[in-house]
Amino acid sequence: GIQVEQSPPDLILQEGANSTLRCNFSDSVNNLQWFHQNPWGQLINLFYIPSGTKQNGRLSATTVATERYSLLYISSSQTTDSGVYFCAVESGSNFGNEKLTFGTGTRLTIIP
Amino acid sequence: DGGITQSPKYLFRKEGQNVTLSCEQNLNHDAMYWYRQDPGQGLRLIYYSQIVNDFQKGDIAEGYSVSREKKESFPLTVTSAQKNPTAFYLCASSIIRGVGPDQPQHFGDGTRLSIL
Repeated sequence: GIQVEQSPPDLILQEGANSTLRCNFSDSVNNLQWFHQNPWGQLINLFYIPSGTKQNGRLSATTVATERYSLLYISSSQTTDSGVYFCAVESGSNFGNEKLTFGTGTRLTIIP
Repeated sequence: DGGITQSPKYLFRKEGQNVTLSCEQNLNHDAMYWYRQDPGQGLRLIYYSQIVNDFQKGDIAEGYSVSREKKESFPLTVTSAQKNPTAFYLCASSIIRGVGPDQPQHFGDGTRLSIL
């Protein structure tokens, strides 16, 4: 099956800093999602981005499908950005096959 | 508001006991999924269903069972055959690709299962 690797595994930053999280995947994808998991375990949808670039406030994401990677940018970090960021991809070739494969995540800690 | 409701939030199981986790959605999604998350790890797929009365095994189905009698509901039973059931369980739903504009999977808030 498809492999998903995220880097770095851990990231500690001062409040106000910018960060870039990377997701590499081993096969072509139909779907790519970025999630933020907060300390209570809730998975928050950040972006649905199988290709191209999207922005939402201080966050933006770019997926280069032909080169099999996606980047999540966080600007002017705030302590509420702390948590684990997951990349998940779906690469099923069959109609209706939407299973997501998750990476192991990047744990982001923002220090005041 | 539309969404996915998982219950209970916390669940304790005795050795040799089966327990059932509830997942209900009112998003009118055809597909539903169960994932397991262990500490410090990503999510792994247990079972998924794309239509009522049909479901398929995911990557780690051993020791689990599901049913899909209604479109809105996809309960997961953790059986006594699951030797290491302590984990965080997340339910998700989505439309079927090709039915309409592609959309992301939506997740519930999860159930934490622990062994007594």
